[in-house]
Amino acid sequence: DAGVIQSPRHEVTEMGQEVTLRCKPISGHNSLFWYRQTMMRGLELLIYFNNNVPIDDSGMPEDRFSAKMPNASFSTLKIQPSEPRDSAVYFCASNNPISSGNTIYFGEGSWLTVV
Amino acid sequence: GQQVMQIPQYQHVQEGEDFTTYCNSSTTLSNIQWYKQRPGGHPVFLIQLVKSGEVKKQKRLTFQFGEAKKNSSLHITATQTTDVGTYFCARREYGNKLVFGAGTILRVKS
Repeated sequence: DAGVIQSPRHEVTEMGQEVTLRCKPISGHNSLFWYRQTMMRGLELLIYFNNNVPIDDSGMPEDRFSAKMPNASFSTLKIQPSEPRDSAVYFCASNNPISSGNTIYFGEGSWLTVV
Repeated sequence: GQQVMQIPQYQHVQEGEDFTTYCNSSTTLSNIQWYKQRPGGHPVFLIQLVKSGEVKKQKRLTFQFGEAKKNSSLHITATQTTDVGTYFCARREYGNKLVFGAGTILRVKS
């Protein structure tokens, strides 16, 4: 299995630009998570989808952040406009409680730098 | 949700020494998961503990869940350089939502 696939792996962008991060969950997984990792705040859950429906977006920092899951095999996290404080590693993760139990599989992350 | 507190934040050990990280909660946990993240890598699931007093072993790693289900520990016997990384505990909430501790960074001197 290919695992959770994220793109881009690295992005450097200027403040004010729009950033779109992409995720392809493991085939058959019906739960998808977006996490953000920084030195100061650690690993934070931003939003969680189940069967393509957002279940909990309480971790989304502000209106500049939005996430979509148009189908079972694709999700995006968008930041518009980006700010330097958004610099972080953004992880996508997926799970299917029936097939993979309690194990949540993380992608390799998208390293975002906003200058 | 209630955070899980991890200590220590950082530990630097000599290769061959043992290492332990602790995870504490002020409220009873229904379960606890442990993850390892190598430098520059992504979190990788290690184990889940569910039962009070549960002890599980994976080679040199020993995981414990406290009797009161408010704390957990990960112990590594005779550390190796391949053990370097950050070890996270995480509390699983509804629908597999995970709340992570701050992590313990382990460095091993060879």
